[in-house]
Formats: sequence, structure tokens, C-alpha cells
Amino acid sequence: DTGVSQNPRHKITKRGQNVTFRCDPISEHNRLYWYRQTLGQGPEFLTYFQNEAQLEKSRLLSDRFSAERPKGSFSTLEIQRTEQGDSAMYLCASSDSAQETQYFGPGTRLLVL
Amino acid sequence: SQQGEEDPQALSIQEGENATMNCSYKTSINNLQWYRQNSGRGLVHLILIRSNEREKHSGRLRVTLDTSKKSSSLLITASRAADTASYFCATDKAAGNKLTFGGGTRVLVKP
Repeated sequence: DTGVSQNPRHKITKRGQNVTFRCDPISEHNRLYWYRQTLGQGPEFLTYFQNEAQLEKSRLLSDRFSAERPKGSFSTLEIQRTEQGDSAMYLCASSDSAQETQYFGPGTRLLVL
Repeated sequence: SQQGEEDPQALSIQEGENATMNCSYKTSINNLQWYRQNSGRGLVHLILIRSNEREKHSGRLRVTLDTSKKSSSLLITASRAADTASYFCATDKAAGNKLTFGGGTRVLVKP
């Protein structure tokens, strides 16, 4: 299957630890997006890439967050010194810049204790 | 921040009935999309309507868009238990840009 995949699907960590999530987009898609969703809310935009270039970052993306897409394929989202408020579902999506539909992965659910 | 609000926040109907939910947004848009999310899972794209379109159909789904009122509606006809999910509208200001989501409508279809 060539859908968007995310790993891990679940992550439990202790406050202060670093965590890294991976997203593999649909192979021919050059745009990749990260969103965060807390319980009962809609997803909120974090950042997006076109190929390797990070084109936009939300103000939600504090200095503790960093995202990369080094070869224009998969992307990683790292959270340093996690806080309980970082507990959320982290969603990745990809699209072909010629299209407008974003295709979402299953998400990574993070719980910070 | 959320682009707009969805109404109602929750909806409970019997199988076979129609479900209607509304979405309002605040700024000008390029297009509006509707997504479905089953509990704790990723989002599934349902339908996209462009800012110059007024109505669109896909199977049992009908979407309307009123740019003068900055609002959209999603109608699911002849609902099924499998339609139980949260439904989100999302807008973008330009093709390929970030999506801004509403808060969602939680739909429960009782068999």
C-alpha cells in the first residue's frame, strides 16, 4: 500500500525526555505537513515542507520542536524536553502540489507522564 | 487557532436518517474540504469544494458552499452505523497550503 505511514503509532514518555516521530508520505508527493490534534479538537497546523524546504512553521512550534525532511522523502518531528502539554495526536499528511487534497497518516499518539 | 466553528458539536440519529452538519469560517478561502475521523484514527478525505462552486455530490454526500456567508454544509443521506465518526471541515487560502480545521461534529448513527 502506498498510503502515508507514521511510526511509532503510540509513544509514552516521561516529562523531560526527547521523542522523535517519523512520517513516510505517499511516494510521489512533494508536500508534507505536520498537524497536532488534542482530544475533542480539530487538527492544528504545525509545519510543512515542499521537497526538502520547510516553507512555513506555526507559532505552535516552539523552540523545543524541530522537523526535518532531509532528502525530500520521509520527515521526522522531534520534541525536546517534553512537557505534559505536548500530549496529543501528531498527524502527518502529504499532497502532490498539483492537487489540493491532503492525505493523512494514522497518527502518532503521544502521552507525556 | 481554529478557522471556524462546526454546528452542531454532536449529532445522534437513527440508521437511515439524514445527517446535516454546518461549518463556518472567517477568512477568504481557496477551497473547503470535509474529512472524516473514526475514533482515535487518522483523517479520511471525503470531498473538496472550490470557492467558485456552490454544490458538490459524492455518493451519499452532498456539500454546499456559500462564500457570501462563509459557510458550508455537509449532508449524509441514508446514514449507516459505519458513518459514526467525527466530521471536520478544513479550509486553505491557496492551493497546497496548510489546512485550517474546524472543531468537528461528532456523529453517532444508531442501528
